[in-house]
Order: sequence, then structure tokens, then C-alpha cells
Amino acid sequence: RKEVEQDPGPFNVPEGATVAFNCTYSNSASQSFFWYRQDCRKEPKLLMSVYSSGNEDGRFTAQLNRASQYISLLIRDSKLSDSATYLCANSGAGSYQLTFGKGTKLSVIP
Amino acid sequence: EAGVAQSPRYKIIEKRQSVAFWCNPISGHATLYWYQQILGQGPKLLIQFQNNGVVDDSQLPKDRFSAERLKGVDSTLKIQPAKLEDSAVYLCASSAEQGYVSEQYFGPGTRLTVT
Repeated sequence: RKEVEQDPGPFNVPEGATVAFNCTYSNSASQSFFWYRQDCRKEPKLLMSVYSSGNEDGRFTAQLNRASQYISLLIRDSKLSDSATYLCANSGAGSYQLTFGKGTKLSVIP
Repeated sequence: EAGVAQSPRYKIIEKRQSVAFWCNPISGHATLYWYQQILGQGPKLLIQFQNNGVVDDSQLPKDRFSAERLKGVDSTLKIQPAKLEDSAVYLCASSAEQGYVSEQYFGPGTRLTVT
């Protein structure tokens, strides 16, 4: 089983829709989780950090389910500008190293 | 606050040639990372520095890749000799650990094409 797995998509959603991505991880000792956004031919940009059960920032909500070993990202009221690839990453206990998934591609359609 | 700086942004070389990439982290960030991102994949860690010491280089192909961070600030990643499969984006990231919190910030990357 890969350490961090994501559905590659693409997810094609209309503007204004709510969309959710899941990311599963195999390292049960993982302590910190991150969602990064990566635009085409750009570097990953930190979107949200999750250190406990979840985090919310405006239209974005991340939730962590340790029992089932997955983290989700919910985007409400999708905008055209949300179109990007969303990368999930985690770091293990006592380690700052990040393990990334392959990313989920989101296209928000007018 | 200035972000992570990398140069060059693009590089095209022939196989068996050598190439070097430079990174300057965010000021005050003690930890620096080099990642390789192949098209369609997530970034893969190559090496992690804490100040000027190597924390982990287990995924660095040491027969051809080398990296240094001599003064604990900027860093250089070198490939010699390059192979076709080294074509990728090389990303540098830095972080300032505070307890268990470690948020990494990436530079714009160097896009390497090996022909």
C-alpha cells in the first residue's frame, strides 16, 4: 500500500458546487497533515495545515479521521480560480519530512 | 517576507552532462529540503538539511546526485552525470520547526530536461 494515496481525478465541477477530496495514509504514526495547492507549472503552495481533528479557512475545510486513516478537503462555493491540483502530505512522529500523494486535479467549470 | 529563491528556472542538458541547482531558503529557516517532482507525481524528498548538516539523504541517488549546504543558508544540488530519467522539476523548500509544527514553503523550482 502506498504511503499517501489520492484519487487523481479529474474532478470537473460547476461553479458554486461543493467538492470533497479524500486522502488516505498508511503511516498510523503520522502527526501532521497538509493540503497544498499546485497550479500548472508552478510550485506547491500551502493551503491548510491539520494538526488535530480538522481546520477551516473560509470556503475550505480539512478534516482528519485517524481511526480510518484519511484526511479530507472540502471546498464550498467553488470558484473558477480553485482549478488546480491538490496535494495531500503528511509527516511522521518526530519527523518533519513530508510524504506527498500524487495529487487530485480539480477543474471548476463556468 | 521574501520566499524561497531558486535558480536557474529552466535547464536543458544532454545526458551524461552535469548540472547544478541553487536554492536560498526563507530567512531564518533552519531546515532545507530538496524534492524531485516528475510529471504527474507528487514531490519526492531527495535530501533534508538542518542548518548545515544532513538529516536524511536516504532517497538521494548518491552515485550521481550530491548536495551541500556549507554555511547553513543556501544550498546546491548537483547531478553528474545526468540521465534521461532525471528530467523533472527540482523543488527546494524550507521550514522553521517550532515544536511539532513544520510548514514547508516551496521555491518556484528548476525544470530540468535531459535529452
